[in-house]
Amino acid sequence: KAGVTQTPRYLIKTRGQQVTLSCSPISGHRSVSWYQQTPGQGLQFLFEYFSETQRNKGNFPGRFSGRQFSNSRSEMNVSTLELGDSALYLCASSTRGQLAGGQGQFFGPGTRLTVL
Amino acid sequence: AQTVTQSQPEMSVQEAETVTLSCTYDTSENNYYLFWYKQPPSRQMILVIRQEAYKQQNATENRFSVNFQKAAKSFSLKISDSQLGDTAMYFCAFIPYSSYGQNFVFGPGTRLSVLP
Repeated sequence: KAGVTQTPRYLIKTRGQQVTLSCSPISGHRSVSWYQQTPGQGLQFLFEYFSETQRNKGNFPGRFSGRQFSNSRSEMNVSTLELGDSALYLCASSTRGQLAGGQGQFFGPGTRLTVL
Repeated sequence: AQTVTQSQPEMSVQEAETVTLSCTYDTSENNYYLFWYKQPPSRQMILVIRQEAYKQQNATENRFSVNFQKAAKSFSLKISDSQLGDTAMYFCAFIPYSSYGQNFVFGPGTRLSVLP
């Protein structure tokens, strides 16, 4: 099976712009989670989507949003970018939602976003 | 709140030697899963090993093994015969068993360097 894919891999934006990141989960995985990784804050959970519905949300402002399509692909959007949004954004997929924690999550390579 | 603590921000080990990474967690749940993930430099995060809390036997995957002490809420990772390719950030993660709607909680990570 193909792994989790994320596009684009690298992105440079300026403050105030918006950005959309894409994630394609492993075939058969219906849960997609998004994380922000920074050197200072580590891995922080953004949100999880399962069957096109947001199931859980981390402590991030409303500028961060996401959605999931019927084929389980997911997008996250960040509006009005700030310098502090520069980070590696990781997507992870799993089966049966986070409940299938026993299987772990499978991570994509990430999208490195730089905000200038 | 559930938290995961990794008290060693950085560690180093000589090639072929053994190293142990520490992880403690805090939860009121009785059933849960624990994981160690590895993130090599500029590469994808991958699952190293998993442990089910209701199993007393410590998990082992080739050179990787864990020491799971449920009462102490401790979950350390032992890497035997360290190899240069083990150089990476290692994250300890936790998720409750009855976790629908909850999310993985990750520790801050330990940066391991394997020295030739």
